[in-house]
Amino acid sequence: KAGVTQTPRYLIKTRGQQVTLSCSPISGHRSVSWYQQTPGQGLQFLFEYFSETQRNKGNFPGRFSGRQFSNSRSEMNVSTLELGDSALYLCASSPGQGADGYTFGSGTRLTVV
Amino acid sequence: DAKTTQPPSMDCAEGRAANLPCNHSTISGNEYVYWYRQIHSQGPQYIIHGLKNNETNEMASLIITEDRKSSTLILPHATLRDTAVYYCIGSGGSNYKLTFGKGTLLTVNP
Repeated sequence: KAGVTQTPRYLIKTRGQQVTLSCSPISGHRSVSWYQQTPGQGLQFLFEYFSETQRNKGNFPGRFSGRQFSNSRSEMNVSTLELGDSALYLCASSPGQGADGYTFGSGTRLTVV
Repeated sequence: DAKTTQPPSMDCAEGRAANLPCNHSTISGNEYVYWYRQIHSQGPQYIIHGLKNNETNEMASLIITEDRKSSTLILPHATLRDTAVYYCIGSGGSNYKLTFGKGTLLTVNP
């Protein structure tokens, strides 16, 4: 079956712009999580959605937001981009019921210049 | 989430078993132990998870001590493709998140 699909794979944006990243989970998975990975901070949790509801949120400023659609696809948005937002953004999906393993996508590499 | 402690790096000879330790002394009763690995520039890959009992799947075995304060991930016959950063994570089912530490860089040598 198809894995977690993230688009686009690479993105270059200018400071002050905004960006939207997309994630399509594995068919049947209702939970989608987002993570940011940087060399300095490692992998950090952004937020998690299940059935269009945010169930948990990490410690990121309000410039980072997300949403989930009725088909479980998810988007995350970063407004007013800063140089420090340059990172690999990873999406993970799971069935969403209790202790499930998460399947990660290959990520979107965002570079802010 | 439980705080986990892993050695920063380990080496293993190809074909030998790789035993990766993890301390999670603060893990609570409802938190699972998860193992993921990440090969450079790819998304983390789920390996295995467990609560109290030892677990085995096609990739690895997970041995959890009786007091649940530590665990060991075992790759029975390591190959060069197993070279990766391995993360041990303690997480409750209702947290809906994974808190990654720095992990262990496992290098499998020919």
